[in-house]
Amino acid sequence: GDSVTQKEGLVTLTEGLPVMLNCTYQTIYSNAFLFWYVHYLNESPRLLLKSSTDNKRTEHQGFHATLHKSSSSFHLQKSSAQLSDSALYYCALLQGTGSKLSFGKGAKLTVSP
Amino acid sequence: EAAVTQSPRSKVAVTGGKVTLSCHQTNNHDYMYWYRQDTGHGLRLIHYSYVADSTEKGDIPDGYKASRPSQENFSLILELASLSQTAVYFCASSDAGGDEQYFGPGTRLTVL
Repeated sequence: GDSVTQKEGLVTLTEGLPVMLNCTYQTIYSNAFLFWYVHYLNESPRLLLKSSTDNKRTEHQGFHATLHKSSSSFHLQKSSAQLSDSALYYCALLQGTGSKLSFGKGAKLTVSP
Repeated sequence: EAAVTQSPRSKVAVTGGKVTLSCHQTNNHDYMYWYRQDTGHGLRLIHYSYVADSTEKGDIPDGYKASRPSQENFSLILELASLSQTAVYFCASSDAGGDEQYFGPGTRLTVL
């Protein structure tokens, strides 16, 4: 079935360094639709980025990601981490049938001064 | 104004007791979902619904029931709460396309 893999569980960075959170997926469907959700402490998870277009960069709030269907990847990047980026980040795949999402295990990003 | 609300926000339950978690949405969405969040497991889908009076099993439905009495309301029921059901539970809603889910604030459930 559909699945999402996020290898990093915990990521600790110094402010100003680049951020890269990895996401790979498996699906039998050719029309993969990938998402990044962000969950700040004491808030609700919310959508950060989404894409279904192969090889097209999508950006929001300083973060960007490019869906690469050839490698089944949708890595999240940011050029310079800020303290306010500390949060839990989930990669998700819209399952080929219906409106269900398959979430990865999440990556907890901690940015320190 | 919050579009997805959950009640209670936190609850302590005893093992073997019955727990009901409630979710209300004002997004006019057809789809509603219940997830549990655990460290190391991320968000896992328990039950979902795409129309009132109908529910579907998600990826981890064992030990949980769901009820969708109206488009706006979706409940998660633990008939016999167990220690392993201690977690944070999130409700979400989306339209039929499913390209964005809107989450509630979560309910922290502790089973003792």
